[in-house]
Amino acid sequence: KNEVEQSPQNLTAQEGEFITINCSYSVGISALHWLQQHPGGGIVSLFMLSSGKKKHGRLIATINIQEKHSSLHITASHPRDSAVYICAVRADSNYQLIWGAGTKLIIKP
Amino acid sequence: EPEVTQTPSHQVTQMGQEVILRCVPISNHLYFYWYRQILGQKVEFLVSFYNNEISEKSEIFDDQFSVERPDGSNFTLKIRSTKLEDSAMYFCASSVLATQYFGPGTRLTVL
Repeated sequence: KNEVEQSPQNLTAQEGEFITINCSYSVGISALHWLQQHPGGGIVSLFMLSSGKKKHGRLIATINIQEKHSSLHITASHPRDSAVYICAVRADSNYQLIWGAGTKLIIKP
Repeated sequence: EPEVTQTPSHQVTQMGQEVILRCVPISNHLYFYWYRQILGQKVEFLVSFYNNEISEKSEIFDDQFSVERPDGSNFTLKIRSTKLEDSAMYFCASSVLATQYFGPGTRLTVL
């Protein structure tokens, strides 16, 4: 069983749409990360959450610790948001990140 | 803005050869990590390093792998005798505390 599950695996939307990507995990965590991986392979950290909600520009990340679930939202999506979005959790027993498989997002103009 | 750098960006090697992948973490960071991503698969943790020693390693990180911080700025991953299945993108990361900053990756191709 995967410890970190993301849905959907792939998402195609039109420019301007509101996007939601979901992450569920099965282990106890000290933090959850949302990361963006560009087509060239580079990884950028978007958020680190341990509770509640964070907002950065058009990106919003929420986490529900009791339900072991997090969501990443993109408002007013744009073609430049096209990338793979990855959820990774830091287990509360160690430092390593356990990674989800990623959600491939394509925003069409 | 400080960033993590990795060299080379692409390394091609013959099976059985040794490779060293290099990373320069952000200068005031204390924790260092290596991850790998086989093409089309998820990112996998290899090893974390703190205070000049390995703090955690995964099952992937067997005796063929080693890490070193030889001079206080570089952080290296050595694969002693490469196998075809070692072909992957290798990412280095560093952190002060929990937020990790990633390098651009080294694509390793083993022929």
